[in-house]
Amino acid sequence: SQQGEEDPQALSIQEGENATMNCSYKTSINNLQWYRQNSGRGLVHLILIRSNEREKHSGRLRVTLDTSKKSSSLLITASRAADTASYFCAPPQAGNMLTFGGGTRLMVKP
Amino acid sequence: EPEVTQTPSHQVTQMGQEVILRCVPISNHLYFYWYRQILGQKVEFLVSFYNNEISEKSEIFDDQFSVERPDGSNFTLKIRSTKLEDSAMYFCAIEGTESSGNTIYFGEGSWLTVV
Repeated sequence: SQQGEEDPQALSIQEGENATMNCSYKTSINNLQWYRQNSGRGLVHLILIRSNEREKHSGRLRVTLDTSKKSSSLLITASRAADTASYFCAPPQAGNMLTFGGGTRLMVKP
Repeated sequence: EPEVTQTPSHQVTQMGQEVILRCVPISNHLYFYWYRQILGQKVEFLVSFYNNEISEKSEIFDDQFSVERPDGSNFTLKIRSTKLEDSAMYFCAIEGTESSGNTIYFGEGSWLTVV
């Protein structure tokens, strides 16, 4: 079944550094969404990138999409301690049903 | 960003009891979803609801579960006879407007603990 698989599973960086997370998926998509989840909290929508887009920016976030490789990446620049969270990519299946992988657990040390 | 309010934020219930989880989107939407996340595990799709009908459901969404939109605004998930393994965080989600390109927005979740 279609689900995003994030890589790495865990990432630990110093505040101010950039964090890059990767996502791979299996089947063709119309769009791909990235979410953040703080421990025990809800999923916060970060960005949606459409299949005809290669790159999209939102504040300190930069998302790329390579449909030929079925992969996406999320870059957080100038990271802050508050960016500590789990990050998920969510490719849709039929009916815009999102499927989630295990996520990347990002730890930003002050 | 659309606001999605879920109640209760946390509920403890005895095994075998019925539970109703509620979701109130701030504005009118057509697509609604329920997901769940068992502690330490992945977020899993349960059901999607469009135009007052179930459009997709996962194998998790068995006869114990039901969804409805009783008054045109609230969206509810009912678990008829809870089991220990139903303990999880349940998320309601809505689909944004056409201009937002099918963005899915999640609520803060309802923690369900079955004892």
